[in-house]
Amino acid sequence: SLVLTQSPSVSVVPGETATITCDGNNIGTKGVHWYQQRPGQAPRLVISYDSDRPSGISERFSGSNSGNTATLTISRVEAGDEADYYCQVWNRGGDHYALFGGGTQLTVL
Amino acid sequence: EVQLVESGGGLVQPGRSLRLSCAASGFAFHDFAMHWVRQAPGKGLEWVSTITWDSGNIAYADSVKGRFTISRDNARTSLFLHMTSLRPEDTAFYYCTKDVYPLSLVMLFDSWGQGALVTVSS
Repeated sequence: SLVLTQSPSVSVVPGETATITCDGNNIGTKGVHWYQQRPGQAPRLVISYDSDRPSGISERFSGSNSGNTATLTISRVEAGDEADYYCQVWNRGGDHYALFGGGTQLTVL
Repeated sequence: EVQLVESGGGLVQPGRSLRLSCAASGFAFHDFAMHWVRQAPGKGLEWVSTITWDSGNIAYADSVKGRFTISRDNARTSLFLHMTSLRPEDTAFYYCTKDVYPLSLVMLFDSWGQGALVTVSS
């Protein structure tokens, strides 16, 4: 069955670019969504269908998806971007309707 | 503004039952699929259950199948999760979430409640 694998942690200095990846077999054939969860808060959708930004999400957030890897890119990282980030797909036909990656903790140094 | 407010969490002994509620407002509740997603303390997100706008399609994660029941009351704009035979591994924050498009099930969660903590312990 499909498994989504994320690196546990990524660190970046303010102003630089953070790259968070989500690996899964043929994930490029699925729409990937990304959620941001700041400490003590509920998750928030930041990217849908690989690269679409919901209303109110900064243009510094972008996404891509191809082959076996989906990528969330955060440009000009700010302190407020420090959070856990989760990828998610609709795993139709699998054991779970919605499948999440294990999450990546972004630390802004 | 979409608002999802969970209630009903608390401390419960293993084997007992608990019912979570989610009060929804700010959107046409009767037109949207709704979901429960949980998060054990310090862990990642886990999808739990889904119900379509008309309750015609319901699904559960294998980890809760046969023990949890999702339901909704469109007249009261409320979502429920009835949890039975609770286990320590069910300890988690339970989030009520909304699907993104009306009259569609796409498993994209565009709004989340603040979560209700369920602790299963003797």
